[in-house]
Amino acid sequence: DAGVIQSPRHEVTEMGQEVTLRCKPISGHDYLFWYRQTMMRGLELLIYFNNNVPIDDSGMPEDRFSAKMPNASFSTLKIQPSEPRDSAVYFCASNQQGFYGYTFGSGTRLTVV
Amino acid sequence: GESVGLHLPTLSVQEGDNSIINCAYSNSASDYFIWYKQESGKGPQFIIDIRSNMDKRQGQRVTVLLNKTVKHLSLQIAATQPGDSAVYFCAENGAAGNKLTFGGGTRVLVKP
Repeated sequence: DAGVIQSPRHEVTEMGQEVTLRCKPISGHDYLFWYRQTMMRGLELLIYFNNNVPIDDSGMPEDRFSAKMPNASFSTLKIQPSEPRDSAVYFCASNQQGFYGYTFGSGTRLTVV
Repeated sequence: GESVGLHLPTLSVQEGDNSIINCAYSNSASDYFIWYKQESGKGPQFIIDIRSNMDKRQGQRVTVLLNKTVKHLSLQIAATQPGDSAVYFCAENGAAGNKLTFGGGTRVLVKP
């Protein structure tokens, strides 16, 4: 089992550009979560999916952020346009129904300059 | 995936000593709690969990204690090793079942 796979590991982009972060959950997991980690706010839940359907997006900071899960093995988090305050580490995690312990990916460190 | 730079409470421990990390949770409706370990450059890693119908659970070198009366959770690490140096987070599921809310974290530094 390769675990939760995120790409890219690091992304540096200029303000105003579109950024797309990618995640492949563990096969068989029916929940997928996107978290953001910053110095000021710690780990924050942005959005989560169950069986590819968005369940709760109340943590998405604003309309510049969007997330999709077109199938059970792939999800994207898109920021358009990006701003310096979006700089953070973004984590994807997945788990199975009935087990609350998430498995996290290694994260994507985003720097917007 | 680094958490370096977070302004976290820090616990310095001598190698071989026991460590105790504390966490105050916020939601009395939470019925499931987890401790995660995050090493530099990596994502959080599951350590141990406990349900609200228990007050203690033991794993390999780790013990989690739950006091629901004061909404307090602790993680005890026995015979702390250099590999235990990391940031530790508690998490609770709140009233939303599968949705975890994380605490601010505690950095543990193990001194040789």
